[in-house]
Amino acid sequence: KAGVTQTPRYLIKTRGQQVTLSCSPISGHRSVSWYQQTPGQGLQFLFEYFSETQRNKGNFPGRFSGRQFSNSRSEMNVSTLELGDSALYLCASGQGLGTEAFFGQGTRLTVV
Amino acid sequence: ILNVEQSPQSLHVQEGDSTNFTCSFPSSNFYALHWYRWETAKSPEALFVMTLNGDEKKKGRISATLNTKEGYSYLYIKGSQPEDSATYLCAPLSGGYQKVTFGTGTKLQVIP
Repeated sequence: KAGVTQTPRYLIKTRGQQVTLSCSPISGHRSVSWYQQTPGQGLQFLFEYFSETQRNKGNFPGRFSGRQFSNSRSEMNVSTLELGDSALYLCASGQGLGTEAFFGQGTRLTVV
Repeated sequence: ILNVEQSPQSLHVQEGDSTNFTCSFPSSNFYALHWYRWETAKSPEALFVMTLNGDEKKKGRISATLNTKEGYSYLYIKGSQPEDSATYLCAPLSGGYQKVTFGTGTKLQVIP
C-alpha cells in the first residue's frame, strides 16, 4: 500500500511569490491535514479537509489556503510568501482527524 | 490554542535504561490524544491513539497511560535501544471538531 506522497520535496521561492504544495493520501483515506514546522515552534496545525470540505482550520493568516479534490488529493497554497514561511510542510492522511494519521515526508520550503 | 507541554525537552539515556516522558494538556473538552515518534529524516509515525480516561496502550517496549481528568499522559520506554532515538510528540485533540495541537516534543537519544 503506497504511503502519503508529497510533492515537491524541496522548493526555493522568492519573497512575494506564491507556492502550491501537493499531497496524495493513502488510498481510501478521506481526511488530509496540513502542518507547518519551523525551528523551535514544533508542528503547527494549518487545516484539515474531509471529503472536499475544510472541517478545521488553525491560526494562520488568509495567505494560507488549501483545497481537496474528489480523489482526496489535496493542495496547499501560500500567497505573497514571506521569509517566515520558510518551513517544513507536512501533510497527513487518515480516516478522520481523531484517528491515526499517516504522514508524508514533507516539503521543505525556503523563501529567500 | 491549547497549551500543551511536554517534559523533558530532551533526554540522554544509556542503552538498556528505562525512561518516561510527560505530556500535559488542558483537561476540559478533551477528545483524544495521539502519541507520535519522529525519527530524523523520516516522517512522524503514530504510536498510540488514546481516548478514555485510564487508557493504557502498549506496543512492544513502549507503553502509554492517559489521565483525562487531570490532563496528562505518560509515555514509557522499557530497556531503551539506540533505534528508540527520536522525538516523541503528543497531540491532544479537543473542541467541537477536534482541533489538534502538537506539543514541542521530547527528544530522546539512546547512547549505545
